[in-house]
Amino acid sequence: DTAVSQTPKYLVTQMGNDKSIKCEQNLGHDTMYWYKQDSKKFLKIMFSYNNKELIINETVPNRFSPKSPDKAHLNLHINSLELGDSAVYFCASSQVLSAPETQYFGPGTRLLVL
Amino acid sequence: GQSLEQPSEVTAVEGAIVQINCTYQTSGFYGLSWYQQHDGGAPTFLSYNALDGLEETGRFSSFLSRSDSYGYLLLQELQMKDCASYFCAVRDLAAGNKLTFGGGTRVLVKP
Repeated sequence: DTAVSQTPKYLVTQMGNDKSIKCEQNLGHDTMYWYKQDSKKFLKIMFSYNNKELIINETVPNRFSPKSPDKAHLNLHINSLELGDSAVYFCASSQVLSAPETQYFGPGTRLLVL
Repeated sequence: GQSLEQPSEVTAVEGAIVQINCTYQTSGFYGLSWYQQHDGGAPTFLSYNALDGLEETGRFSSFLSRSDSYGYLLLQELQMKDCASYFCAVRDLAAGNKLTFGGGTRVLVKP
């Protein structure tokens, strides 16, 4: 009965590779987010989707491409991985777009680029 | 732009009271949230203040003063399980109604 799930939990890969992270929420929420948390624990929003529509696209390299096949899923594809992409990526959801203050986070995907 | 300031670390003993301050600068402030994150875990929602005053939820309370652009999280009767990082986050309507997180305050609890 996990609320927000992500796969994989760990991802170790070489520079230049392409990888995807998947996220699913079973809360019936309309809005989903991707965050990046760096080694200093700064948590920064990357993207948000509301009912499959892109709402927020922060200044993120275009090597990062989110996709939302339906409102319960938000995936993140990363092309040509770089060392600086190493971080923990969190997916989150909120009930509606107008109430972002309460977000439910997935367990995170720890990405290490070698 | 936006900025949030919170202390990087606070240390206290079990049973003590800890106050984590958060000051913010933002053009379209709507509210202040607090999240807890244990090492290796995910952030979890603790509280949200949109209006001035104190909100109490068990041992944790959160306060907001909009006129001072300031809020705090109060942890009472500190327990070892409260060892975690605590993040304040502003909801900013002028920035796309998203949450912008502070750098986090690591709380260390000594027996």
